[in-house]
Amino acid sequence: QDQLVESGGGVGQPGRSLRLSCAASGFTFSSYGMHWVRQAPGKGLEWVAIISYDGRIQYFGESVKGRFSVSRDNSKNTVFLQMDSLRAEDTAMYFCAKDFRAYSATSPLDSWGRGTLVTVSS
Amino acid sequence: EIVMTQSPATLSVSPGERVTLSCRASRSVSDNLAWYQQKPGQPPSLLIYGASTRATGVPARFSGSGSGTEFTLTISSLQSEDFAVYYCQQYTIWPPFFGPGTTLDI
Repeated sequence: QDQLVESGGGVGQPGRSLRLSCAASGFTFSSYGMHWVRQAPGKGLEWVAIISYDGRIQYFGESVKGRFSVSRDNSKNTVFLQMDSLRAEDTAMYFCAKDFRAYSATSPLDSWGRGTLVTVSS
Repeated sequence: EIVMTQSPATLSVSPGERVTLSCRASRSVSDNLAWYQQKPGQPPSLLIYGASTRATGVPARFSGSGSGTEFTLTISSLQSEDFAVYYCQQYTIWPPFFGPGTTLDI
């Protein structure tokens, strides 16, 4: 059974950095693209970033482009979201999610973690 | 990029009712359309993919239809556990945007 567990959230100051982690188990991690999706309090889902199964391709939403980066360690079944130059509007629950299809560039998200909360405040 | 819209934003319904939710894409996504259900305090869960295929374990009262730019999610007979927020998402191109969601209220 797929399991995703996020960590690393907390309070970050504007302009500073946070690094989120997502530990995966129950599936062949190195075969699947991984996504980060966030949800501001009381708001809808905002797609943030994707990293391909082999880590070669990353893509970001406009609101985080140039500030966030994503990486993965397939030997440790973990994906990371490096959040730099934090802004108040980055305050949200951050979910990692797994592609449904292996080795695919077009796939829905079939497994989600429970999320880690990031609050940006001075 | 492809922008997703959903209607209505909120729907007040009663258990046992048949409900239809709509999702529209700003340009064709073929059948690369997914529906997710999110209950308070929980992550989203995949309901429908490929516009009409139920994910594993999803009850048969949930059905999806459509292709191109117009899609619907139908719940044939609402159960109490179905009161939630429903999001559509296109995954034909990156970024795979979500719609703004439809809330089912009692």
